Amino acid sequence: DQQVKQNSPSLSVQEGRISILNCDYTNSMFDYFLWYKKYPAEGPTFLISISSIKDKNEDGRFTVFLNKSAKHLSLHIVPSQPGDSAVYFCAGIQGAQKLVFGQGTRLTINP
Amino acid sequence: DTEVTQTPKHLVMGMTNKKSLKCEQHMGHRAMYWYKQKAKKPPELMFVYSYEKLSINESVPSRFSPECPNSSLLNLHLHALQPEDSALYLCASSQDYGRDKNIQYFGAGTRLSVL
Repeated sequence: DQQVKQNSPSLSVQEGRISILNCDYTNSMFDYFLWYKKYPAEGPTFLISISSIKDKNEDGRFTVFLNKSAKHLSLHIVPSQPGDSAVYFCAGIQGAQKLVFGQGTRLTINP
Repeated sequence: DTEVTQTPKHLVMGMTNKKSLKCEQHMGHRAMYWYKQKAKKPPELMFVYSYEKLSINESVPSRFSPECPNSSLLNLHLHALQPEDSALYLCASSQDYGRDKNIQYFGAGTRLSVL
């Protein structure tokens, strides 16, 4: 049972444009969501989070949008930079401590 | 400082060996985690320690034995592993128990190969 789904395994975006990464979830008990970025041979790095009582959270070039009725969230990166090329994981928090990750989306920023 | 340090970075072991993975954080976090990540898959939770007590064991085989000697250290003892246990083992920590404090910070991982 895949409770968090990232349906796009990969995404390619031109430098300077907007990158939009999508995530769907099935567990309505999730009350907090996080986005992580992962480079090869490194651990995931926390990017941004959003509580289920909000519909938007912004931090610099990164904005996360949450649509609870659609059980959908998205991460917007604008403008996209070459250093943003990485695998991005969406995760929901189930219970007090357990993060449930999606399968990840590989983002490639082309010069 | 959001650093979680894991040692060793790489480990090769035979199926009869005993080895340990080490994780350390000095952020004052009271929750620590072990994850396993296979290639092209998301991290899978193995264990959670909260205030130095094991609070979650995700039905992990007993050949993996976690230990939390103090609030800054987390070990994972390995014994009689199988080749399918080869993976990246990630340690993470978070400030406390509870959703708004559950931003987990990850170490770089230990790449384990079981021969």
